[in-house]
Amino acid sequence: EAGVVQSPRYKIIEKKQPVAFWCNPISGHNTLYWYLQNLGQGPELLIRYENEEAVDDSQLPKDRFSAERLKGVDSTLKIQPAELGDSAVYLCASSVTTRTSGNNEQFFGPGTRLTVL
Amino acid sequence: QQPVQSPQAVILREGEDAVINCSSSKALYSVHWYRQKHGEAPVFLMILLKGGEQKGHDKISASFNEKKQQSSLYLTASQLSYSGTYFCGTDYAGGTSYGKLTFGQGTILTVHP
Repeated sequence: EAGVVQSPRYKIIEKKQPVAFWCNPISGHNTLYWYLQNLGQGPELLIRYENEEAVDDSQLPKDRFSAERLKGVDSTLKIQPAELGDSAVYLCASSVTTRTSGNNEQFFGPGTRLTVL
Repeated sequence: QQPVQSPQAVILREGEDAVINCSSSKALYSVHWYRQKHGEAPVFLMILLKGGEQKGHDKISASFNEKKQQSSLYLTASQLSYSGTYFCGTDYAGGTSYGKLTFGQGTILTVHP
């Protein structure tokens, strides 16, 4: 079974430039998550999708960050414009979540390491 | 609110045991444990649901104390492959907010030969 795929793995940009990250979750997983992970810290949730609906985007800085999950499969996270403080690893994860089964394990992708100069 | 993990770091020799704790000031519905090696994705270890159950996986087990709102991860007879950063992820609400995890700051475990 293929895991969560993310691209690119690394991205270096100058501040004020736009950047986009792509995620392909595990087939059949209805829930998709975008996390931000700073060095030495745990992942912080940015946005969570159930199918194509964003069910929790309360921690997404909406002035510069946007995300979409068309057709409930692949997802794209965009930053425009990027700031120095956005340098971090952006992780995508997916899981199968239902109202009856509740919490299930999240499978993480390898992440995209963003460096803003 | 972020759960608090302790200790922040542990250094072991192969074969030694370790305990990592994860504490919350809010009522927990479940606790997830993950291990992350440097430059890699976090890997799922186990989920503990409220009810105080204990789970085991090879020589790694965990418990959930609902009264104390705390989970502990037990690593026995540690192996070199156990090295990495361990994160607990807590779910506070359950129900309509299922699946939303808040991760602790991590515990760095280093196992030496």
